[in-house]
Amino acid sequence: EAGVAQSPRYKIIEKRQSVAFWCNPISGHATLYWYQQILGQGPKLLIQFQNNGVVDDSQLPKDRFSAERLKGVDSTLKIQPAKLEDSAVYLCASVASGGSPDTQYFGPGTRLTVL
Amino acid sequence: GQQLNQSPQSMFIQEGEDVSMNCTSSSIFNTWLWYKQDPGEGPVLLIALYKAGELTSNGRLTAQFGITRKDSFLNISASIPSDVGIYFCAGQRAAGNMLTFGGGTRLMVKP
Repeated sequence: EAGVAQSPRYKIIEKRQSVAFWCNPISGHATLYWYQQILGQGPKLLIQFQNNGVVDDSQLPKDRFSAERLKGVDSTLKIQPAKLEDSAVYLCASVASGGSPDTQYFGPGTRLTVL
Repeated sequence: GQQLNQSPQSMFIQEGEDVSMNCTSSSIFNTWLWYKQDPGEGPVLLIALYKAGELTSNGRLTAQFGITRKDSFLNISASIPSDVGIYFCAGQRAAGNMLTFGGGTRLMVKP
């Protein structure tokens, strides 16, 4: 079974530029999460999708971050415009239908560096 | 900010030694999880604990769910070089709720 796929793996941009990350969850997984992991810290949830609907986006900085999962499969996370403090690894995770967050599988992440 | 406090932040041990790390919280969690993250990869689940007082093993790893529901411990016996990585605890307040992660313990093993 293929795991969670993320691209790109690395991205370097200058502040005020825009960037987008892509995630393809494990086939059939209805729930998808985006996390931000700042260097030296644990992952912090940004947004949770159930199929194509948002379940929880309370920790998403909506003035600059947006995410979508239009067809309930793959998802895109966008930052516009980026700030220096957005430098982090952005992790995507997915859970099978009916599964609990404690059974989520993580992708390898996208490392973003904002200069 | 982080609601789970992990300690120690880092450990540098000799191969073959046993390792202990813990995670504490000021509030109750009903599920405790331990993950390992290798460089350039996402976290991988090692052990899940669902009941206060529960002691669960996975090979050389043993984890315990604290009686107060506010802490958890992970022990690694007879460490080997491939144990190197960052270990994260995570708590879940109720089934279906989001996970809260600790700050991680970085483990380094000297052959």
